[in-house]
Amino acid sequence: DAGVTQSPTHLIKTRGQQVTLRCSPKSGHDTVSWYQQALGQGPQFIFQYYEEEERQRGNFPDRFSGHQFPNYSSELNVNALLLGDSALYLCASSLIRSGEQFFGPGTRLTVL
Amino acid sequence: AQKVTQAQTEISVVEKEDVTLDCVYETRDTTYYLFWYKQPPSGELVFLIRRNSFDEQNEISGRYSWNFQKSTSSFNFTITASQVVDSAVYFCALSEVEGTGANNLFFGTGTRLTVIP
Repeated sequence: DAGVTQSPTHLIKTRGQQVTLRCSPKSGHDTVSWYQQALGQGPQFIFQYYEEEERQRGNFPDRFSGHQFPNYSSELNVNALLLGDSALYLCASSLIRSGEQFFGPGTRLTVL
Repeated sequence: AQKVTQAQTEISVVEKEDVTLDCVYETRDTTYYLFWYKQPPSGELVFLIRRNSFDEQNEISGRYSWNFQKSTSSFNFTITASQVVDSAVYFCALSEVEGTGANNLFFGTGTRLTVIP
């Protein structure tokens, strides 16, 4: 049974560019959450998707957007990249009625 | 507002010593979940435990044990007879419980544990 998978593993972009990160949830899960983890910090909640809609959102600007597909996979898009967007982006999947989130290995984004 | 404080930034212990990682939380909710996650150098967060706010029983799983005290808003994690493989960053986290269940996690800043052989 595959766990949460994310792609790509690493990514290097320059300021002003746009990036798309992808996540496939654990089999049977219907909810996907995205977190940003800056170096030396704890993960910070970006948003959560359920039934292809954004269900909750953390304190992140509109440059951060997402999507969930009918197969429950999800994308995180970041526009107009800033140096401060450099971080490990973690995807977590869960069942909507469960408090337990399973995390993927993350995508490390570097913005130059 | 929710807040999780892990005052210990880094801890070093010698192998086989016991170590306790502290976690203090703040929330206005009466129902919530508390979590501990382990993050090894590979970066993936590994789930260790979830505790419902209504369940204050301490839990033991092998060398790991957790002490939940609602009166002091603490959820401390003890590793007994530490091993080198326990070296990692450990995060304490809190989530609300709405009617529909799963909610976002509020993480502390983590405690880096180094176990010296």
